[in-house]
Amino acid sequence: GDSVTQMEGPVTLSEEAFLTINCTYTATGYPSLFWYVQYPGEGLQLLLKATKADDKGSNKGFEATYRKETTSFHLEKGSVQVSDSAVYFCALNGNRDDKIIFGKGTRLHILP
Amino acid sequence: KAGVTQTPRYLIKTRGQQVTLSCSPISGHRSVSWYQQTPGQGLQFLFEYFSETQRNKGNFPGRFSGRQFSNSRSEMNVSTLELGDSALYLCASSRSVPTNPNEQYFGPGTRLTVT
Repeated sequence: GDSVTQMEGPVTLSEEAFLTINCTYTATGYPSLFWYVQYPGEGLQLLLKATKADDKGSNKGFEATYRKETTSFHLEKGSVQVSDSAVYFCALNGNRDDKIIFGKGTRLHILP
Repeated sequence: KAGVTQTPRYLIKTRGQQVTLSCSPISGHRSVSWYQQTPGQGLQFLFEYFSETQRNKGNFPGRFSGRQFSNSRSEMNVSTLELGDSALYLCASSRSVPTNPNEQYFGPGTRLTVT
């Protein structure tokens, strides 16, 4: 079945560092790919998405490119802030049964 | 407009007991999905309801059940609680189906601890 694998955390970085959180997926067909963010004490929020190969999703300085050849959707940010501290989830929607499949999440800590 | 609300926010139960969690979707949203979030397994889909009908179900035992009312509010029930049921239970609502992640909004969750 469809699945998402993302790097385990926690990831700890200093403010203004470059961030990469790896995400790879397994799916038949052409899924849509997503990154969600969960701030402490809150529910998940959709951060960005890409619906077809080579699409780049971006929001709040974060970017991710849909790479079909490597089945990846890595999340990047050039200069992280303390306020980016949260749990990040990679997810896919295979469109066959409407379910959204999530990765296990990566906790990010940004130190001032 | 008000977001997705979940009650209670925190709950402590004993093994063998049963528990009911409630979710009120955003006004006008008719689809409600439930997820279990644990550190080891991440976010796992439980079930989805639309117009009082279960549309999708994840791979959870029959101890986990849910329902949706005519006002779109949803409840999930877990019977015969086990220690492994300790988790954050998230509810998400959307206006219609199929679920569009762009239009799916999550509640803050109910933290269930089973002792």
